[in-house]
Amino acid sequence: SQTIHQWPATLVQPVGSPLSLECTVEGTSNPNLYWYRQAAGRGLQLLFYSVGIGQISSEVPQNLSASRPQDRQFILSSKKLLLSDSGFYLCALQGAAFGYTFGSGTRLTVV
Amino acid sequence: KNEVEQSPQNLTAQEGEFITINCSYSVGISALHWLQQHPGGGIVSLFMLSSGKKKHGRLIATINIQEKHSSLHITASHPRDSAVYICAVPYSGGGADGLTFGKGTHLIIQP
Repeated sequence: SQTIHQWPATLVQPVGSPLSLECTVEGTSNPNLYWYRQAAGRGLQLLFYSVGIGQISSEVPQNLSASRPQDRQFILSSKKLLLSDSGFYLCALQGAAFGYTFGSGTRLTVV
Repeated sequence: KNEVEQSPQNLTAQEGEFITINCSYSVGISALHWLQQHPGGGIVSLFMLSSGKKKHGRLIATINIQEKHSSLHITASHPRDSAVYICAVPYSGGGADGLTFGKGTHLIIQP
């Protein structure tokens, strides 16, 4: 079965520091991968998606970037965090027949 | 872009009550997802459905494609059902650009 490993579970970072969140996938190949963010009091919002190695589409202009260096690895990064980057970050993959699998998420607090 | 509306936003009920959560969307879809988010943030996929009705234990999900509406029901509710329930549909009706999510229904079941 498909699984997503996402870490860390929680993270506290100072303003201006860099960020790297990693998501790795098992049990499937060439999946569509997604990064979502949930800000306080709001629904999950699509940040980036990738249909293959090196292919990144961005939905919302922001202080973040994404990369897919390997088929089963999806990375979310920032060079300098802002307070507004705080939130819950979720990695997901789209499997067969429109089904989705979700990571456990990372709760990021920028202080 | 698909728009998702969920109701109610908050729901408090007594143990044993029958619970209904509603979801409406704006663009025709291939499949609709119901998700459960626990206080720690982790998200679990409950149902994916494209027509009719699905049942898993005490949870029942229905969808009316013509009316662009879905409902999630919980029978004989229990305090462990307390969570946020989220409806999600394809971002643009289908394809690789992921899901768009409702803001969620915060459900509390009191013993």
